[in-house]
Amino acid sequence: DTEVTQTPKHLVMGMTNKKSLKCEQHMGHRAMYWYKQKAKKPPELMFVYSYEKLSINESVPSRFSPECPNSSLLNLHLHALQPEDSALYLCASSQGLAGGLEQYFGPGTRLTVT
Amino acid sequence: AQSVTQLDSQVPVFEEAPVELRCNYSSSVSVYLFWYVQYPNQGLQLLLKYLSGSTLVESINGFEAEFNKSQTSFHLRKPSVHISDTAEYFCAVSAGFGNEKLTFGTGTRLTIIP
Repeated sequence: DTEVTQTPKHLVMGMTNKKSLKCEQHMGHRAMYWYKQKAKKPPELMFVYSYEKLSINESVPSRFSPECPNSSLLNLHLHALQPEDSALYLCASSQGLAGGLEQYFGPGTRLTVT
Repeated sequence: AQSVTQLDSQVPVFEEAPVELRCNYSSSVSVYLFWYVQYPNQGLQLLLKYLSGSTLVESINGFEAEFNKSQTSFHLRKPSVHISDTAEYFCAVSAGFGNEKLTFGTGTRLTIIP
């Protein structure tokens, strides 16, 4: 199984709502990532978890809060988002953080903030 | 730090014609190089990668890329494209050591004309 799953596929939320994105992998990978991708742009790294600990935070606003409850799950909690946060949110995983390791991407959650 | 340049934002090609998507990188250290493909409304999939050894790497669906250290390039080629190759192609680089992030190029939109 080389699949990364993400739920929901689409999410529409108001600026005062609280919602969560979920990502799951069962490949035994120990590194998991959140990326944000705007239309016609490359993915931008947001967070990296390694062995369930936050390893990298790319200066992401606090309205985005990541969580890694176990080695297979990665959540992204959203609160008080802005319309400019509308984007495709991609989750990825890899065996570890060493350079050269393939990252496996999920299909993404398309988020619209109204 | 590393950077990646994909000069062509869009490449239209007739079906069964050859194609080359250009990628140049900049780095002060040795690097690993990747090509990822993103089909419409999907996440990214690894197409091929260069870690070391033979400078010519191939994918299972007919694409190949050649690592050229002197020209700091990793161009992607296919001798005969199909409609199903329509997608966004991202070149990416990570440093050859340590816990390094993937740095993506801005992407090239390949459109196959019937």
